[in-house]
Amino acid sequence: EIQLQESGPGLVKPSQSLSLTCSVTGYTITSGYDWSWIRKFPGNKMEWMGYISYSGSTNYNPSLKSRISITRDTSKNQFFLQLNSVTTEDTATYYCARQAYYFDYWGQGVMVTVSS
Amino acid sequence: DIQMTQSPASLSASLGETVTIECRASEDIYNGLAWYQQKPGKSPQLLIYNANSLHTGVPSRFSGSGSGTQYSLKINSLQSEDVASYFCQQYYDYPFTFGSGTKLEIK
Repeated sequence: EIQLQESGPGLVKPSQSLSLTCSVTGYTITSGYDWSWIRKFPGNKMEWMGYISYSGSTNYNPSLKSRISITRDTSKNQFFLQLNSVTTEDTATYYCARQAYYFDYWGQGVMVTVSS
Repeated sequence: DIQMTQSPASLSASLGETVTIECRASEDIYNGLAWYQQKPGKSPQLLIYNANSLHTGVPSRFSGSGSGTQYSLKINSLQSEDVASYFCQQYYDYPFTFGSGTKLEIK
C-alpha cells in the first residue's frame, strides 16, 4: 500500500524558511510519477505548489517560484519542501501527494502556522 | 492561470437524494478534471479523473460528466458517509488549480 507522510515544524517565524519532509512507503519515488506539494489555506482555498519528478526535474507554481525549492533523497525515499521568506499568508495545511496529473495518493497533511 | 469556479459553496440534502456539484473553468480544459472528497481531519481522496473516470474503489453512486469549460459531480442515493467537502482540480495546464470547494451536509 502506498503511503505518504509529512513531517516538520508546526510553527515558523516570519521571514524564516519552512522545511517539510514527505516520506513515501510502498512505492519508490524514482520509479515513476511526479511528487507534489499542495497546501490548503484557512478558508479552504487550495494551491498546487510544485513537484519533483521521478527523474529529479522540478516544476513550480510561478506564484512561488522565487521562494520554493523541492528536493529529494532517493536513498530514504523522501522528498522535501523548502519555502523561504515566509509570511503569515503562508499559514496553511501542507500536503504531499503523488501526481499523475491528478493526485491519487495524499499524505495526512501537516498544519504550519507562521507567527512570531 | 485557469480559474475554477465551483458551486454551490454548501449543500444540504436528505439521505437517498441525488446531488450535483459543478465546476466551471475559465477556458477549455479538455476533460483534464478531477474531483476529490475530503472528510474533516482527513486527507483528500480522489473520486473521479479525466472528468468521468471513476477511481478504483470509489462507489458507483459517484459519477462525473462534462466537457469544455463545464463539469459536474453527481452523487446518487446520498449516504451518511458522503458528508464531506468536495472540490475539483484542473490538470490541463500548469499551474494546476482547484475549485473553492463544496461542503455537503445531510438535512
